[in-house]
Amino acid sequence: EDQVTQSPEALRLQEGESSSLNCSYTVSGLRGLFWYRQDPGKGPEFLFTLYSAGEEKEKERLKATLTKKESFLHITAPKPEDSATYLCAVAWATNKLIFGTGTLLAVQP
Amino acid sequence: KAGVTQTPRYLIKTRGQQVTLSCSPISGHRSVSWYQQTPGQGLQFLFEYFSETQRNKGNFPGRFSGRQFSNSRSEMNVSTLELGDSALYLCASSLTTANTGELFFGEGSRLTVL
Repeated sequence: EDQVTQSPEALRLQEGESSSLNCSYTVSGLRGLFWYRQDPGKGPEFLFTLYSAGEEKEKERLKATLTKKESFLHITAPKPEDSATYLCAVAWATNKLIFGTGTLLAVQP
Repeated sequence: KAGVTQTPRYLIKTRGQQVTLSCSPISGHRSVSWYQQTPGQGLQFLFEYFSETQRNKGNFPGRFSGRQFSNSRSEMNVSTLELGDSALYLCASSLTTANTGELFFGEGSRLTVL
């Protein structure tokens, strides 16, 4: 069964403490992997698209990487404003998009 | 540029009733997709419309339906509401099809079924 799994479910960091979030997938025929950020009471906001293994994208303190079976969202020296739920989504050959259940990140000052 | 607009933002219904939710995409976007978000299941794909045609459908019962108008605005309808339909319903628009690029989400319609 095609699946997208995110870990950990929740992560609490101190300000400045770098870490990584994981998104693993078991779909075949990957068309793209997407990262989104969702703040409470808001819709998800697009962060990155990755298309092939080895690809990397960066934006401020965030860096997304992709392998054949998983993607990592690295957060370097996070700040309290980085607190949010981070979602990954995978598009594959059936033209559908599957979202993971997300990682709730809390960054304490 | 105006974002994706969803109405209503909040609504309360009782079991057995029906509800219609509306989504106005970003100007020029032809794809509108709908998602149900619940704490236990996360974001689940309902359906996608592209140029007024349903392009894809998720694994939801036939009580969930949608349509898209010529101006790309979309509506989704849920008939015979059940308690388990309580959720945040999110609409997203994109320039091309939903699985090929960046999705722009609205803030959602929060449905409570009593």
